[in-house]
Amino acid sequence: KNQVEQSPQSLIILEGKNCTLQCNYTVSPFSNLRWYKQDTGRGPVSLTIMTFSENTKSNGRYTATLDADTKQSSLHITASQLSDSASYICVVRSSNTGKLIFGQGTTLQVKP
Amino acid sequence: SQTIHQWPATLVQPVGSPLSLECTVEGTSNPNLYWYRQAAGRGLQLLFYSVGIGQISSEVPQNLSASRPQDRQFILSSKKLLLSDSGFYLCAWSEVPEYTFGSGTRLTVV
Repeated sequence: KNQVEQSPQSLIILEGKNCTLQCNYTVSPFSNLRWYKQDTGRGPVSLTIMTFSENTKSNGRYTATLDADTKQSSLHITASQLSDSASYICVVRSSNTGKLIFGQGTTLQVKP
Repeated sequence: SQTIHQWPATLVQPVGSPLSLECTVEGTSNPNLYWYRQAAGRGLQLLFYSVGIGQISSEVPQNLSASRPQDRQFILSSKKLLLSDSGFYLCAWSEVPEYTFGSGTRLTVV
């Protein structure tokens, strides 16, 4: 069964600190993996998208990594800011069906 | 550039009342359109998708229906809302590899 699992479920860090969010998936074969940021009460906004041949992709203070062999991805946030408080969702697109499979998200809270 | 509009942002409706949520896309032709529901603390669940005018595929049986009367318009409807229809509804469009979400509608059925 195609699944995407994220950890931790929630995370609290102090402003200025770094953090790493994890995503493990069983979707195979897959065409791309995406990370979205979703502010409370808003729609998800794309941070990064990586194909199976890419290992890393950066977007400002956000850096996503992908290990297609172990089926793991991570999202690293550097020098966190209060505005980083949000849910971060890992999404994998199945090559077979073309459908997106969503993780349940990690809720990040950045405290001053 | 492509943009997606979804409204209303919030909606409170009594049980048994009808529902109509609208989503429109600008700056693209013949997009794939989607309706998702996001329950509190849970991941997004695909409800409907459409690859063209009048073409609707339903992912899960439910109290809702969707229609696509125009190329860039996608409507989510219900004849009679249930309490369990409460949730956060998201419209999305895709043009490989991009996948863009609307701002969402918070529906509360009371």
